[in-house]
Amino acid sequence: QQQVKQSPQSLIVQKGGISIINCAYENTAFDYFPWYQQFPGKGPALLIAIRPDVSEKKEGRFTISFNKSAKQFSLHIMDSQPGDSATYFCAATSNGGTSYGKLTFGQGTILTVHP
Amino acid sequence: DGGITQSPKYLFRKEGQNVTLSCEQNLNHDAMYWYRQDPGQGLRLIYYSQIVNDFQKGDIAEGYSVSREKKESFPLTVTSAQKNPTAFYLCASSIEVLAGVGEQFFGPGTRLTVL
Repeated sequence: QQQVKQSPQSLIVQKGGISIINCAYENTAFDYFPWYQQFPGKGPALLIAIRPDVSEKKEGRFTISFNKSAKQFSLHIMDSQPGDSATYFCAATSNGGTSYGKLTFGQGTILTVHP
Repeated sequence: DGGITQSPKYLFRKEGQNVTLSCEQNLNHDAMYWYRQDPGQGLRLIYYSQIVNDFQKGDIAEGYSVSREKKESFPLTVTSAQKNPTAFYLCASSIEVLAGVGEQFFGPGTRLTVL
């Protein structure tokens, strides 16, 4: 019940295209859903995050879509650029219960944007 | 320059040896975390600490130990009991746990290889 399942494992997109990464969770207590971006040899960095009281959040070219009833959320990268090539992780946590104080991460998606 | 430092960047260990990975933060964060990253498995939580002199096991604590004697330091010891220690280890911190995990800031990681 603590898992967050992420897909696809890898994704190749042409420059200017849209990259879409999906995550699904089971724990209905999760109430915070961040996305992290990681470049090779570096630690992850927070990209964008959403709480379940909204269905969408946009920051620049990055958008999170959230479907509470389906327990799914996704990251959309518009106008994808070669500099976006990285590994992306979705995550989830809650302010209570067994997930309190901990982030549960998805398996990661390796995004490659071809010029 | 605020942030999280991890040392060393690369570490080689012989089988049967204990090794300690360093993590220091000057962000004045209360909470600190250790993750292990393996290809295709995302980030898995080893230990976390919400406050000085207190820490909790994460999902894969067996074969690892930690201490939190100072707010800014959270060293991880990989013991000889860890059966498959070769991995990329990431340390993170967040401002506090009581207000929710919020944003975790990650260090650059230590790549441990067992020879």
